[in-house]
Amino acid sequence: EDKVVQSPLSLVVHEGDTVTLNCSYEVTNFRSLLWYKQEKKAPTFLFMLTSSGIEKKSGRLSSILDKKELFSILNITATQTGDSAIYLCAPSHAGGTSYGKLTFGQGTILTVHP
Amino acid sequence: EAGVAQSPRYKIIEKRQSVAFWCNPISGHATLYWYQQILGQGPKLLIQFQNNGVVDDSQLPKDRFSAERLKGVDSTLKIQPAKLEDSAVYLCASSSQGNTYEQYFGPGTRLTVT
Repeated sequence: EDKVVQSPLSLVVHEGDTVTLNCSYEVTNFRSLLWYKQEKKAPTFLFMLTSSGIEKKSGRLSSILDKKELFSILNITATQTGDSAIYLCAPSHAGGTSYGKLTFGQGTILTVHP
Repeated sequence: EAGVAQSPRYKIIEKRQSVAFWCNPISGHATLYWYQQILGQGPKLLIQFQNNGVVDDSQLPKDRFSAERLKGVDSTLKIQPAKLEDSAVYLCASSSQGNTYEQYFGPGTRLTVT
């Protein structure tokens, strides 16, 4: 059975701090790993990682994948109150009837105080 | 580009009643997904459509849940009869044929079963 574990489950920091969110996974027929940010209801796409060791960056956010050790991290530097959200990671499946299927972790709740 | 539309946004029903949710994906997106997100958990895939055909419904409780995607565009998800444990947010997502792994989510429908 596919397994996705995120840590920590929740995190409280102050503005300006740097945070690292972790995602470990065990899925059959792995294709890529996606990170989403969820505020209120709809998750919004952040990154898709397919290759090991290649960092992806978007502003203050960056992420990297280790396909050998089966984990990914999401870094947020100089956090702002607007970064407060649930961060979800989701490995995707390649091929067969599970093509494109995402298996989500339980999420990390990040709270950034002013 | 208009996003994924869902209705209603909120629904409260009593157990054993029936309910239906509607989703209109982003124009031109061939793949449509329905997820169930219980409080404190990540989204769980219920069913995946490719155009108007079902690709994966392995986690859909078929004794009470049904879904269809007429003409490969809009989709409805129905629960009949509802149980207390069906209380959750139901998210619809879509992706284009050439970019199946990046899914765009709608605002969701929060269902409360009393």
